[in-house]
Amino acid sequence: NAGVTQTPKFQVLKTGQSMTLQCAQDMNHEYMSWYRQDPGMGLRLIHYSVGAGITDQGEVPNGYNVSRSTTEDFPLRLLSAAPSQTSVYFCASSYPTGEAFFGQGTRLTVV
Amino acid sequence: QQQVKQSPQSLIVQKGGIPIINCAYENTAFDYFPWYQQFPGKGPALLIAIRPDVSEKKEGRFTISFNKSAKQFSLHIMDSQPGDSATYFCAASVVGGTASKLTFGTGTRLQVTL
Repeated sequence: NAGVTQTPKFQVLKTGQSMTLQCAQDMNHEYMSWYRQDPGMGLRLIHYSVGAGITDQGEVPNGYNVSRSTTEDFPLRLLSAAPSQTSVYFCASSYPTGEAFFGQGTRLTVV
Repeated sequence: QQQVKQSPQSLIVQKGGIPIINCAYENTAFDYFPWYQQFPGKGPALLIAIRPDVSEKKEGRFTISFNKSAKQFSLHIMDSQPGDSATYFCAASVVGGTASKLTFGTGTRLQVTL
């Protein structure tokens, strides 16, 4: 049982480059979300989705896009990478009751 | 605006001790309060969670105490072990249509020494 799978695990980007962080879940959860984790700041919500075709912004959405074409996949796109987007990114999928399962994370460095 | 405040930032206890981590929230609409455990290089993993209709919940060595009137909740780890050394995050959300929207505290790094 894979749970939530994120790829890649590590990535280095140059300022201005774009990329997509992949997230897939096999638990048939309607709810999925993306967080970034920075030292001393906990995890902050970037974007979330309550089902295929439905997405909304979280606390720190600027510079990121999402789409949800299937229940299983919820990719996060960085449009034009900036050093401030250096962080560890976590994808999660959730039951309606709130219980959330996180992936292993993607460590992104923007130089 | 930080909606969930967590303390302390770090904590060192001896094996067998009872570390206590505290969180306070502001949004009275929150109705789900989970605690997550995170080891280095891994994603957060759900440890235990509570809803505001109960004041305490125990699962194994982990206990959540909840005080609705004070808008505070805490995690107690009984008989702590070196394997409990990790970072702990409290969180809060409103279940239902926004179940994905967890608001996290800033984390507590726990070290359990021999």
